[in-house]
Amino acid sequence: SQTIHQWPATLVQPVGSPLSLECTVEGTSNPNLYWYRQAAGRGLQLLFYSVGIGQISSEVPQNLSASRPQDRQFILSSKKLLLSDSGFYLCAWAYRGGETQYFGPGTRLLVL
Amino acid sequence: GQQLNQSPQSMFIQEGEDVSMNCTSSSIFNTWLWYKQDPGEGPVLLIALYKAGELTSNGRLTAQFGITRKDSFLNISASIPSDVGIYFCAGPVTSYDKVIFGPGTSLSVIP
Repeated sequence: SQTIHQWPATLVQPVGSPLSLECTVEGTSNPNLYWYRQAAGRGLQLLFYSVGIGQISSEVPQNLSASRPQDRQFILSSKKLLLSDSGFYLCAWAYRGGETQYFGPGTRLLVL
Repeated sequence: GQQLNQSPQSMFIQEGEDVSMNCTSSSIFNTWLWYKQDPGEGPVLLIALYKAGELTSNGRLTAQFGITRKDSFLNISASIPSDVGIYFCAGPVTSYDKVIFGPGTSLSVIP
């Protein structure tokens, strides 16, 4: 069976510090991978998605970047965090060409 | 661009009551997905609909794919406290590499 992991589960970071959130998927190959942000418990904002290693599509220009160094690994990064980067970050995967997305447990980020 | 709207935005109901919520779009969708997000967790797929007019059940949940293909409905019968959460509708954009989500309906159940 397939599983998706995210870490850390929670993170408190000062403004201006770097960020690295990791997402890994097990039990499948060549998945589509997605990063979402959810603010205040409402609405999923798609940040990035990837259909293959090294292939990243950015949906919203902002202070974040994403990378996919391996087939089942998706990383969300920032060089300098802003207060507005606080939120709940969700990673998801889908079969190539499939519409159903399967979400990870999320990372709660608080920038102070 | 494509956009989904959900109503109501939030609901407060008594345990045992039935719940109805809907999702509408200005454009046609070929698939409708309904997700539930428990507090502090990632969304989980509840029901997927693939055909206009389709009515699908999952336990106490029933969802319908609207005939116009521009809307979908989710009903929950005899609500219980664990039904609390945010319910999202979603649909794939043309490429199927992306899915757009509605803003969600927040459900609170009063014991």
